Amino acid sequence: GAVVSQHPSWVICKSGTSVKIECRSLDFQATTMFWYRQFPKQSLMLMATSNEGSKATYEQGVEKDKFLINHASLTLSTLTVTSAHPEDSSFYICSAPIWDSGPHYGYTFGSGTRLTVV
Amino acid sequence: GQQLNQSPQSMFIQEGEDVSMNCTSSSIFNTWLWYKQEPGEGPVLLIALYKAGELTSNGRLTAQFGITRKDSFLNISASIPSDVGIYFCAGHDGNTGKLIFGQGTTLQVKP
Repeated sequence: GAVVSQHPSWVICKSGTSVKIECRSLDFQATTMFWYRQFPKQSLMLMATSNEGSKATYEQGVEKDKFLINHASLTLSTLTVTSAHPEDSSFYICSAPIWDSGPHYGYTFGSGTRLTVV
Repeated sequence: GQQLNQSPQSMFIQEGEDVSMNCTSSSIFNTWLWYKQEPGEGPVLLIALYKAGELTSNGRLTAQFGITRKDSFLNISASIPSDVGIYFCAGHDGNTGKLIFGQGTTLQVKP
């Protein structure tokens, strides 16, 4: 089935540094990738939507200069957390829409990245 | 904005018991999805529902898409310890293409 590979699975970084998270669609082309953030014991909150070849669209309250999203190809989308601070520590997950042989679709998720900023 | 209300928030049950959880929405969705998430992992799709009134099973799991398109439930029969995890409902907004998630139901199963 359609798989999204997300790396790294966890990362620890110092305050003020930047961290890049990658999501690759392994056996399908992802023209769209959704990026979520999940705090402990909370639900997934959509941060932004990336589209191949165009600018990402951000949800209200998400700083686009802090969370840089690049969707350079049909199989790769990246999220860079710039000048990270402890409050950015969270679980970040990407997701891509997928279709079956008919009109039905779903969303497949990456395995997530646990970011800890110290 | 759109919100999904998922209940119960948590459940602690005995192995072998049946489980039921549901989601309601203030607005209509054209697709309902149920996911399970285990610690440190991304959500994994359990069941997808595309038609109002649709009842779909996946092994011991059964889910239904409400007639009004504003609600859905998930049942797990004869629970086993590996059912432990957080279950999320998600509604697909056909206008924006976005998935809206419920708050999640944390399931714990006592052997």
